[in-house]
Amino acid sequence: EAGVAQSPRYKIIEKRQSVAFWCNPISGHATLYWYQQILGQGPKLLIQFQNNGVVDDSQLPKDRFSAERLKGVDSTLKIQPAKLEDSAVYLCASVTTDGDSGNEQFFGPGTRLTVL
Amino acid sequence: GESVGLHLPTLSVQEGDNSIINCAYSNSASDYFIWYKQESGKGPQFIIDIRSNMDKRQGQRVTVLLNKTVKHLSLQIAATQPGDSAVYFCAEKVKTSYDKVIFGPGTSLSVIP
Repeated sequence: EAGVAQSPRYKIIEKRQSVAFWCNPISGHATLYWYQQILGQGPKLLIQFQNNGVVDDSQLPKDRFSAERLKGVDSTLKIQPAKLEDSAVYLCASVTTDGDSGNEQFFGPGTRLTVL
Repeated sequence: GESVGLHLPTLSVQEGDNSIINCAYSNSASDYFIWYKQESGKGPQFIIDIRSNMDKRQGQRVTVLLNKTVKHLSLQIAATQPGDSAVYFCAEKVKTSYDKVIFGPGTSLSVIP
């Protein structure tokens, strides 16, 4: 079974530029998460999708961050414009919604963003 | 709880010894607690979970203990191996209209050969 795919793996941009990240979850997983992980900290949820609908975006800085999952499969996360404090690893995860199996989130390798 | 920034709690253990990683949680309404392992340069990987109505669950070389009275969770790793070196996160899952998962700050485990 293929895992969660993310691209790019690394990105370096200057502040005020724009950047987009892509995630392809495991086939059949209805729930998709985007997390921000700052060095030395735990993942912080940015947005959670159930199929193509948003169920939680309470911690998404909506003035600069946006995300979509138009067909309920892959997803993109965009930052426009980027700030220095956005430097972090952006993790995508997906999970099935089948009962107790829904506790195991499958994570992609992440995209390491450096904002200069 | 809040993250500790760049200063992750660190646990160093000798290879072959048992490791105990602790976690405090905040939400009494959490219905599952989950442990993840994150190796350098990789995404977190699920280790084991425990339902809130249980106080102990065992897996392969790992045991999770839950003390709801003091809102404390621990992960015990038996016969720790160099491959266990990683950052370990506890997470709590709260059932609302959807499943909300909140990650703790993490503990860095270093295994001394």
